[in-house]
Amino acid sequence: GDSVTQMEGPVTLSEEAFLTINCTYTATGYPSLFWYVQYPGEGLQLLLKATKADDKGSNKGFEATYRKETTSFHLEKGSVQVSDSAVYFCALTTSGTYKYIFGTGTRLKVLA
Amino acid sequence: GAGVSQTPSNKVTEKGKYVELRCDPISGHTALYWYRQSLGQGPEFLIYFQGTGAADDSGLPNDRFFAVRPEGSVSTLKIQRTERGDSAVYLCASSLRLAGDRDTQYFGPGTRLTVL
Repeated sequence: GDSVTQMEGPVTLSEEAFLTINCTYTATGYPSLFWYVQYPGEGLQLLLKATKADDKGSNKGFEATYRKETTSFHLEKGSVQVSDSAVYFCALTTSGTYKYIFGTGTRLKVLA
Repeated sequence: GAGVSQTPSNKVTEKGKYVELRCDPISGHTALYWYRQSLGQGPEFLIYFQGTGAADDSGLPNDRFFAVRPEGSVSTLKIQRTERGDSAVYLCASSLRLAGDRDTQYFGPGTRLTVL
């Protein structure tokens, strides 16, 4: 079945460091890919998405590129801030379905 | 505009009791989803409504779980004879579900259910 694998956390970085959170997927058909973020005490928020191969989603300085050849959708940010501390979830949905398949989440902690 | 709202935000109950969790989707969203998020895990799909009908309830873990959406807006997730293993955060999401669109789901803040 379809699945999403994320790198395990927690990830601890200093402010202004470069961030990569790895996400790979297994899917039948052509999935859409998403990154959601969950800040402390808040609900899941869509961070960015990509709907076809080679698409790049971006928002708030975060980027992720849909790589069909490596079945990956890694999240990157060039310079993290303390306010980026949160749990990040990679997710997919495939054509003809509606359910999201989520990864287990990666906790990011950014230190001042 | 208003996002997805869920009530209560926290629910503590005793094993064997019945609980209802409510979701109020974004106005105009025809699709509604319930997920369950256990500690340290990603959300797992429970059920999907398109309008008033449950289009897919394949994620409901057993027949103690039931959900309704009688008027195509607000939905209630009902859990009978609760067990300690039901403790989790229950998330609701809604979407426009436009034809041909790779849908984006918008999530509520969740209801944290604790079964003692």
